[in-house]
Amino acid sequence: AQSVAQPEDQVNVAEGNPLTVKCTYSVSGNPYLFWYVQYPNRGLQFLLKYITGDNLVKGSYGFEAEFNKSQTSFHLKKPSALVSDSALYFCAVKGNTGGFKTIFGAGTRLFVKA
Amino acid sequence: GAVVSQHPSRVICKSGTSVKIECRSLDFQATTMFWYRQFPKQSLMLMATSNEGSKATYEQGVEKDKFLINHASLTLSTLTVTSAHPEDSSFYICSATDNRAPEAFFGQGTRLTVV
Repeated sequence: AQSVAQPEDQVNVAEGNPLTVKCTYSVSGNPYLFWYVQYPNRGLQFLLKYITGDNLVKGSYGFEAEFNKSQTSFHLKKPSALVSDSALYFCAVKGNTGGFKTIFGAGTRLFVKA
Repeated sequence: GAVVSQHPSRVICKSGTSVKIECRSLDFQATTMFWYRQFPKQSLMLMATSNEGSKATYEQGVEKDKFLINHASLTLSTLTVTSAHPEDSSFYICSATDNRAPEAFFGQGTRLTVV
């Protein structure tokens, strides 16, 4: 069965500092991995995805994520956080061997302090 | 990126009435649409998956007679909450994919309040 774990409910970081939001996954076969961001009372916005190829993928708003197959992780990163990055971040996984549902993690709330 | 429009963004209805929420893909043909429910400070709970022209597939525990889903065209899916009760109050979100790319694109969400 597919599953996604975001071990941190909340991440606090000072503006200008690097940020990391953690995600680990479990899926049969090779996964499709995603990060989405949600602002209050809004739907989810797609940030980036990993399908195959280079383990470091770059996405919107300066975010990037690193796929680590041995650790089954897909952590979201940004070199320099902005106050406007404060939001709820969801990691998601989709198997590519049948059953194409996207499973979401519980979400991690990011607070960036000025 | 692809645009998905969800309407209305907020709705308040009386207990016992029905509410329809629309989800439209504006610039692509959505072969598959998903409906989620999100409780405060929680993740998205998949309610059902709908493919154009066929019956929706509901997740375990979701009442199909209460949450009616119609996906009559490649650009429109609707969720009707029938005989709404206060416990149906929630944030409902749709997403759509054209199956050419693995990621889905989300509507803005609908805040339903049943009084």
